[in-house]
Amino acid sequence: GAGVSQTPSNKVTEKGKYVELRCDPISGHTALYWYRQSLGQGPEFLIYFQGTGAADDSGLPNDRFFAVRPEGSVSTLKIQRTERGDSAVYLCASSLTRESWRTDTQYFGPGTRLTVL
Amino acid sequence: QKEVEQDPGPLSVPEGAIVSLNCTYSNSAFQYFMWYRQYSRKGPELLMYTYSSGNKEDGRFTAQVDKSSKYISLFIRDSQPSDSATYLCAMVNSGAGSYQLTFGKGTKLSVIP
Repeated sequence: GAGVSQTPSNKVTEKGKYVELRCDPISGHTALYWYRQSLGQGPEFLIYFQGTGAADDSGLPNDRFFAVRPEGSVSTLKIQRTERGDSAVYLCASSLTRESWRTDTQYFGPGTRLTVL
Repeated sequence: QKEVEQDPGPLSVPEGAIVSLNCTYSNSAFQYFMWYRQYSRKGPELLMYTYSSGNKEDGRFTAQVDKSSKYISLFIRDSQPSDSATYLCAMVNSGAGSYQLTFGKGTKLSVIP
């Protein structure tokens, strides 16, 4: 595809359930970021991958959140024992390099809107 | 206090007006400054980036950075209804390693025809 895609676009789940959110970055992009955007707020950093490894996971709020990128392309954000406070739009972004604003654009996907009832 | 402060608005202006959007920040380590535009139910898209104090112009958009005051601005000239969106300022501390973006809350702009 031409851009970053995220699936599902919407996810409704019940408190306590497990969810997986998927991000397909632009082909060839080595840097991948996950952000969370709550209503009326700007995106907040969660985790950064360079290739297959999580180079910075300092933004993950607690150990219920985990993300993987096993082959250096598609990434999955996993949330265990979901809570109502997890409700937000989860955004994925990719760029050719980590210094994306210098020479390249950091492309954001449309996000997955997660609602925890 | 949040690291990046941005008035959420909403801001409503007539078509053709000059729009001024602003952010302040508290972390002196921020070195790169960006403005993103976000349409409803879409991801943010990069409009402009700047490094160090000064002005940068791109068409109808001008970005200003004043590091001494920890203040950045985005000006939109001859605003159009298609400019109606939420504008997010974002900053990077490259010394942090991951080059993660720290965003403001966003300002919702409506340009009325």
